[in-house]
Amino acid sequence: NAGVTQTPKFQVLKTGQSMTLQCAQDMNHEYMSWYRQDPGMGLRLIHYSVGAGITDQGEVPNGYNVSRSTTEDFPLRLLSAAPSQTSVYFCASSYSLGASMFTGELFFGEGSRLTVL
Amino acid sequence: RKEVEQDPGPFNVPEGATVAFNCTYSNSASQSFFWYRQDCRKEPKLLMSVYSSGNEDGRFTAQLNRASQYISLLIRDSKLSDSATYLCVVNSGGGADGLTFGKGTHLIIQP
Repeated sequence: NAGVTQTPKFQVLKTGQSMTLQCAQDMNHEYMSWYRQDPGMGLRLIHYSVGAGITDQGEVPNGYNVSRSTTEDFPLRLLSAAPSQTSVYFCASSYSLGASMFTGELFFGEGSRLTVL
Repeated sequence: RKEVEQDPGPFNVPEGATVAFNCTYSNSASQSFFWYRQDCRKEPKLLMSVYSSGNEDGRFTAQLNRASQYISLLIRDSKLSDSATYLCVVNSGGGADGLTFGKGTHLIIQP
């Protein structure tokens, strides 16, 4: 089972460059999200989507764009990379949406390590 | 901002010992609680949910204390393979977007 697949696993950018982190899941999950993980900090939500065509901002959305054209794919775009965006990025998906239905299990991809010089 | 606080450790524990660590949360309206495990340079994975009555899964026991706003994780007969970072996760409402992750507690089991 592929689960949640992220590409690339590693990327080095120069300040001002743009790039897209890809995320795909094959579990037919409605909910998908992007987190960043920095040393000494908990995972922080960047953007999330509750279904195709629907996206919303998380805790730290500035500098990032997302789109959800299909259930399977949820790419994260960095429009003009900055050194502050150096981080490990995780895509995660889940079966359910509402508070009464969420089981607590997010399925994470293996992560994408981004360095911005 | 509602916070989830954990002792970052590291906790250095000999193999076979029992280890416990806590996590405190500030939002009294939090509805559900979880422990995730993250191995070095890997993705987080759900370890167990934490129920009001407490719950056990093999060597792992999770407890919730709503009055004092903390959850705990107890690991008995620790194994080398238990070495990891344990993330406390609190859902303050809404769906999966309502999760707040703690910074994690680093556990090292020594032979």
